[in-house]
Amino acid sequence: QSVLTQPPSASGAPGRRVTISCSGSSSNIGSNPVNWYQQFPGTAPKLLIYGPNQRPSGVPDRFSGSKSGTSASLAISGLQSEDEADYYCTAWDDSLRGWVFGGGTKLTVL
Amino acid sequence: QVRLQESGPGLVKPSETLSLTCTVSGGSISTSYYWSWIRQPPGKGLEWIAYIYYNGRTNYNASLKSRLAISVDTSKNQFSLKLTSVTAADTAIYYCARGDGVYGHDYWGQGTLVTVSS
Repeated sequence: QSVLTQPPSASGAPGRRVTISCSGSSSNIGSNPVNWYQQFPGTAPKLLIYGPNQRPSGVPDRFSGSKSGTSASLAISGLQSEDEADYYCTAWDDSLRGWVFGGGTKLTVL
Repeated sequence: QVRLQESGPGLVKPSETLSLTCTVSGGSISTSYYWSWIRQPPGKGLEWIAYIYYNGRTNYNASLKSRLAISVDTSKNQFSLKLTSVTAADTAIYYCARGDGVYGHDYWGQGTLVTVSS
């Protein structure tokens, strides 16, 4: 059971906008930045967003992050087939004194 | 460009010790970043295991702490993981990664699958 809660799946048609939620608590999302990773099958996770809405070089601005209270969201606009991947949220947890992850959301582009 | 590469046995027997090494290239391990181990059971999510700084300061996942040891060798630009008394539940892809408090983990190794089986 993951400390952060994500929906197991999400989907959207090409060109549309999809959001993936991540729910936590006051000790993690409520008090620390949230980062998002994208993972394709057989590859390592890739940093997509670092808290709360910064993109590493090379990440398209179609990807954006937001946070409110103890929840965070990843939004992907102008959905493309190559966005089909697993997405994970993560945050530092002050109580556990370690990094915690969501269980991951599998995004399907219809 | 920082690169990380995991190495170690792909098969470990139950009750034995899992040992992995991560070699860092393209940059020094002796920086303000910390160096983490993260694992992912097949078909499942990510779990942070531990991190270490170049000066040896460590932080362990409390759920694994009693079985864990992590070390660093700055002369070889490497850091290592030892997990004792393994069971089938420790079967996973093990990743090493660079981390800090702002970016989280920005550079990752390709991962290495470790299977616990007799």
